[in-house]
Amino acid sequence: LAKTTQPISMDSYEGQEVNITCSHNNIATNDYITWYQQFPSQGPRFIIQGYKTKVTNEVASLFIPADRKSSTLSLPRVSLSDTAVYYCLVGTNFGNEKLTFGTGTRLTIIP
Amino acid sequence: EADIYQTPRYLVIGTGKKITLECSQTMGHDKMYWYQQDPGMELHLIHYSYGVNSTEKGDLSSESTVSRIRTEHFPLTLESARPSHTSQYLCASSKTGDRREQYFGPGTRLTVT
Repeated sequence: LAKTTQPISMDSYEGQEVNITCSHNNIATNDYITWYQQFPSQGPRFIIQGYKTKVTNEVASLFIPADRKSSTLSLPRVSLSDTAVYYCLVGTNFGNEKLTFGTGTRLTIIP
Repeated sequence: EADIYQTPRYLVIGTGKKITLECSQTMGHDKMYWYQQDPGMELHLIHYSYGVNSTEKGDLSSESTVSRIRTEHFPLTLESARPSHTSQYLCASSKTGDRREQYFGPGTRLTVT
């Protein structure tokens, strides 16, 4: 599995756009990039997944440059309820592969 | 919302007791997983299963055991609980296919006194 590096923590004010960047220099050709969100005392929840360029859903956007060695999760107009830990994962989209969550980025939204 | 359930949600038990943490899903997923997570720390995979009668140990060594007799059920057992087993245990499931999305249960917070 490709190793990922992301900031340990980030703070942001309500209403702002938050961008969390993840580095994955050893990403393989078949690897996808997936982000999960985890609230305290709950299991992680899938947010978004992408392979290249830009992916957008109702929750977030994922930007992946052409070299795919990094990716940026963008959360528009955050609210207090977005305070959580965000995990970046990289791996193939098929086959019997285990996920490694890493330490994630602890995002704190300030009122 | 994912249909994956864990019971009990909270358990406080004495050292030496045998415990079973239940996990069930109604989505027909073939893959199921158990993770262990201490407060504020990362998740560690301790067991996984690719289907009925398939069980494998994960990345983190664990004294627990699992079984997969039915697709929807993936219980975790500790034969003799110790204080070092105090942690949150999260069960997850996924379907083989295009998306690598795992659905997580609410977790069981275990405290061994």
